[in-house]
Amino acid sequence: QKEVEQDPGPLSVPEGAIVSLNCTYSNSAFQYFMWYRQYSRKGPELLMYTYSSGNKEDGRFTAQVDKSSKYISLFIRDSQPSDSATYLCAMSAYTGNQFYFGTGTSLTVIP
Amino acid sequence: NAGVTQTPKFQVLKTGQSMTLQCAQDMNHEYMSWYRQDPGMGLRLIHYSVGAGITDQGEVPNGYNVSRSTTEDFPLRLLSAAPSQTSVYFCASSPQRKNTEAFFGQGTRLTVV
Repeated sequence: QKEVEQDPGPLSVPEGAIVSLNCTYSNSAFQYFMWYRQYSRKGPELLMYTYSSGNKEDGRFTAQVDKSSKYISLFIRDSQPSDSATYLCAMSAYTGNQFYFGTGTSLTVIP
Repeated sequence: NAGVTQTPKFQVLKTGQSMTLQCAQDMNHEYMSWYRQDPGMGLRLIHYSVGAGITDQGEVPNGYNVSRSTTEDFPLRLLSAAPSQTSVYFCASSPQRKNTEAFFGQGTRLTVV
């Protein structure tokens, strides 16, 4: 079983839609949960991170962590064509600094 | 700041050739790592380093060597290139005591023919 599972999509939504992206994980030691955005032919860049459980909001983006279910989500409100990218979830434990990535979900927002 | 710089951006190798992918960061980060990204496989960790002089293997280390003689540089060496090593390679760095962000380079697209 992989450490982190993520539905690869692809996901295609109309502009203005609410997008939900999800990951599940198996390692209960994970404490830090991150979402990266990767545009085509570019390196991943950090979008948001959360520590332990709960919600975090940043503009149109909301990250949710449910440690009891080992499930994290990223919500994008009022999606824009510029949000079209691959979104990768990533996790790490408190000790050490190794990141575990999901396979990424490809999102296309249609104008 | 330049962040994480990878060179070259593109490379074509013949089977059996060797080469070094360069990675440099100017953020004084202790932790550096190399990933390969393949369709449907996501980012897979090849090797990582927690500081100068210290390296360790990740998930897919076979066929690759690394060294870390300085904090800034973390080169990845392909010993004898194989078509299975055709991939996009990313170098990343992060502060050792901050498990919240990895900064990535722009990637090296490698094709082995």
